[in-house]
Amino acid sequence: GAVVSQHPSRVICKSGTSVKIECRSLDFQATTMFWYRQFPKKSLMLMATSNEGSKATYEQGVEKDKFLINHASLTLSTLTVTSAHPEDSSFYICSASVTDSLRSYNSPLHFGNGTRLTVT
Amino acid sequence: DAKTTQPPSMDCAEGRAANLPCNHSTISGNEYVYWYRQIHSQGPQYIIHGLKNNETNEMASLIITEDRKSSTLILPHATLRDTAVYYCIVRAGTGKSTFGDGTTLTVKP
Repeated sequence: GAVVSQHPSRVICKSGTSVKIECRSLDFQATTMFWYRQFPKKSLMLMATSNEGSKATYEQGVEKDKFLINHASLTLSTLTVTSAHPEDSSFYICSASVTDSLRSYNSPLHFGNGTRLTVT
Repeated sequence: DAKTTQPPSMDCAEGRAANLPCNHSTISGNEYVYWYRQIHSQGPQYIIHGLKNNETNEMASLIITEDRKSSTLILPHATLRDTAVYYCIVRAGTGKSTFGDGTTLTVKP
């Protein structure tokens, strides 16, 4: 089955530093990936849609300069939390679906295992 | 905004069938119903999806009403490892998915 790998699984950083999270589709190509954020005991909140070769589309209320997304290849999207602060501490999850023409219309999302970010 | 509504929590006895309902009364004709589950501190796991016909795989069955306004996920023989938050979402093509609050299923011995 389709596998999405997310790295790192956990990261602790100091306030003011930047953190990069990688999301890779291991055995399929994904022109579109999605980034979610999840607070404890809450549901997943969509942050942005990452589009290969073009700018990401951010959801309302998500600061694009704060959460930089780069989707440079069909198998890799990165989320960089810039100048992190304690309120950015959260669980970040990426997802992707197979986007070849034959299967893309009803292809399920496959999720990474998430990144637990703690900003001290 | 989420397009689905689910009960916040359900209990199920181990070995019994777990039936998780979902309402999606505003579903569009081209939207599929997808079910995922999330075990604590992990990414969501895909379970099953369907358009209008009932579906079954090795994990679960999906029953979609004829008017497509609701569906039920069935775990035929729940185990303790099925304790998780279950999310029902609707999605068309490769579009984005918005998650509701899901149902916390607790399987009890």
